[in-house]
Amino acid sequence: DTGVSQDPRHKITKRGQNVTFRCDPISEHNRLYWYRQTLGQGPEFLTYFQNEAQLEKSRLLSDRFSAERPKGSFSTLEIQRTEQGDSAMYLCASSLPTGGYETQYFGPGTRLLVL
Amino acid sequence: LAKTTQPISMDSYEGQEVNITCSHNNIATNDYITWYQQFPSQGPRFIIQGYKTKVTNEVASLFIPADRKSSTLSLPRVSLSDTAVYYCLVGDYNTDKLIFGTGTRLQVFP
Repeated sequence: DTGVSQDPRHKITKRGQNVTFRCDPISEHNRLYWYRQTLGQGPEFLTYFQNEAQLEKSRLLSDRFSAERPKGSFSTLEIQRTEQGDSAMYLCASSLPTGGYETQYFGPGTRLLVL
Repeated sequence: LAKTTQPISMDSYEGQEVNITCSHNNIATNDYITWYQQFPSQGPRFIIQGYKTKVTNEVASLFIPADRKSSTLSLPRVSLSDTAVYYCLVGDYNTDKLIFGTGTRLQVFP
């Protein structure tokens, strides 16, 4: 399988707990993105990496959220002290911009439910 | 980033051609147009991308008029499995992130 993979696919946690999600991008892709999607809405940008460098963070990414991509390959998104409002689908996408175009390929997402 | 406007929902029957139009009046010279499909509980799936005129691949066609202020995604002979949300996005290589709207919910009936 050469697509974007995410783990876990589902996570249920209690308010106040920390959670960590993993994303494995398509192997040759140098850009990796995190989005969040709530019910009935389109995905919202959270942050992105070019190789290991985190180049942009949305204001949606509060200080409870942190993302890493230590070796420019897989990435992790950690949410500390989860709140019920964090319940959403967390999507990862990767891309390899070429020739002025960029196509982002999405993973299946991690659905988080905070009780 | 140019804002996009598309219908909230559309209905069709199996075997029909479906055309979903997206308006992007403020599209910039460097912007290109991308369409994604999303099924419930799955990530968006890339359908097609273009800059001008017409682009066709194995699943869809994308029509972009000369002024590029709108685009139309054409799905030939839809089936029940095409029931999904379709997102139109306008993006620039230099701006990186995708801005999604609420998309068009397409319902295909037998």
